Amino acid sequence: SAVISQKPSRDICQRGTSLTIQCQVDSQVTMMFWYRQQPGQSLTLIATANQGSEATYESGFVIDKFPISRPNLTFSTLTVSNMSPEDSSIYLCSAESPVEQFFGPGTRLTVL
Amino acid sequence: KQEVTQIPAALSVPEGENLVLNCSFTDSAIYNLQWFRQDPGKGLTSLLLIQSSQREQTSGRLNASLDKSSGRSTLYIAASQPGDSATYLCALVSGAAGNKLTFGGGTRVLVKP
Repeated sequence: SAVISQKPSRDICQRGTSLTIQCQVDSQVTMMFWYRQQPGQSLTLIATANQGSEATYESGFVIDKFPISRPNLTFSTLTVSNMSPEDSSIYLCSAESPVEQFFGPGTRLTVL
Repeated sequence: KQEVTQIPAALSVPEGENLVLNCSFTDSAIYNLQWFRQDPGKGLTSLLLIQSSQREQTSGRLNASLDKSSGRSTLYIAASQPGDSATYLCALVSGAAGNKLTFGGGTRVLVKP
């Protein structure tokens, strides 16, 4: 199994600003992912964070809005850029170890 | 395209009753299926993983079955307790989804004392 931590756990931000969310895994993993969960909805995959190369984004998500870093096999960041109230969601990172996926506690973001 | 459906969306039962949660999917060519629990405002806790070659998995009071031919998985929770109140999500990995997790909409469970 893998234990995943995220920082911050929650934040309230002003529109037009950016927030970077950190995700740390307690062991080396090949696959890391970022999800968004809008209020009352299920999870939507934003992108796969690839170590040593650019992230792979799902349809509807772009790098300019959600830049992702993956400097090593245990750490990744997601930035939510130029935020608007529509970006208010829970953002979750996950890791695959080895076939089971484990999730972090999430970052609750509120944009005013 | 893989679609995952969970019915009902919400369920309320008295304490002690057995819970039966359903998950259906459209593409039977799956690699594995996971059941998760999510408490309000929290992350997801993995409950059970069933790989493609397996028919069921058990952990304590939880039992999950998988029938690929009919496109269904069922999560059974025996002798429910108020602490089982949460949203339960099924998700699966399939080639139709590019080998990524596709989530159902979840079933919100309330166990009344």
